[in-house]
Amino acid sequence: QQPVQSPQAVILREGEDAVINCSSSKALYSVHWYRQKHGEAPVFLMILLKGGEQKGHEKISASFNEKKQQSSLYLTASQLSYSGTYFCGTQFSSGSARQLTFGSGTQLTVLP
Amino acid sequence: NAGVTQTPKFQVLKTGQSMTLQCAQDMNHNSMYWYRQDPGMGLRLIYYSASEGTTDKGEVPNGYNVSRLNKREFSLRLESAAPSQTSVYFCASQLNHPNTDTQYFGPGTRLTVL
Repeated sequence: QQPVQSPQAVILREGEDAVINCSSSKALYSVHWYRQKHGEAPVFLMILLKGGEQKGHEKISASFNEKKQQSSLYLTASQLSYSGTYFCGTQFSSGSARQLTFGSGTQLTVLP
Repeated sequence: NAGVTQTPKFQVLKTGQSMTLQCAQDMNHNSMYWYRQDPGMGLRLIYYSASEGTTDKGEVPNGYNVSRLNKREFSLRLESAAPSQTSVYFCASQLNHPNTDTQYFGPGTRLTVL
């Protein structure tokens, strides 16, 4: 039940926008978005909960469509620092040990 | 706070050797996790510990054992290393707040098995 991320890779110029999607075949409780730079640990960006509102942080925001069991991450006016691999981690229940199942990642490259 | 720390940062083993990867967190989190990450792939859960004294298998537990030594520490042991276990290993921890928490990752251990 690994979520499917699309696209697998995207190349942008500074200032352009991007959308990364994360789809699940199983009903989701929450979606967690992370960014990982080469050789580093994944860093938490935001969490979307079932029934929750769209989240945002500066120029990065995300939504959660319960009907489609899909989350989308929106990067607007991209900066060089946005480069990295973006992972979604999906959680299927609110159990005490909240296992996350991660997608295979979307590699984002922002060029000057 | 140091967050989640892992030792060692790098390790080279020969096939059949054993080793233990150490993980500690100072955030008073309840749950801890071990993942492996292979090139071009996402994170796959090896084992996790919902709370002190409990451990459970994840997606890829074969060839590994874990110990939740106390609330802070969670170790991963490779009893007889194989080349297929060459990977980057990440430890993570989570508080288990009802609606807002997530997992925080350590810096990783890069393991090569020859």
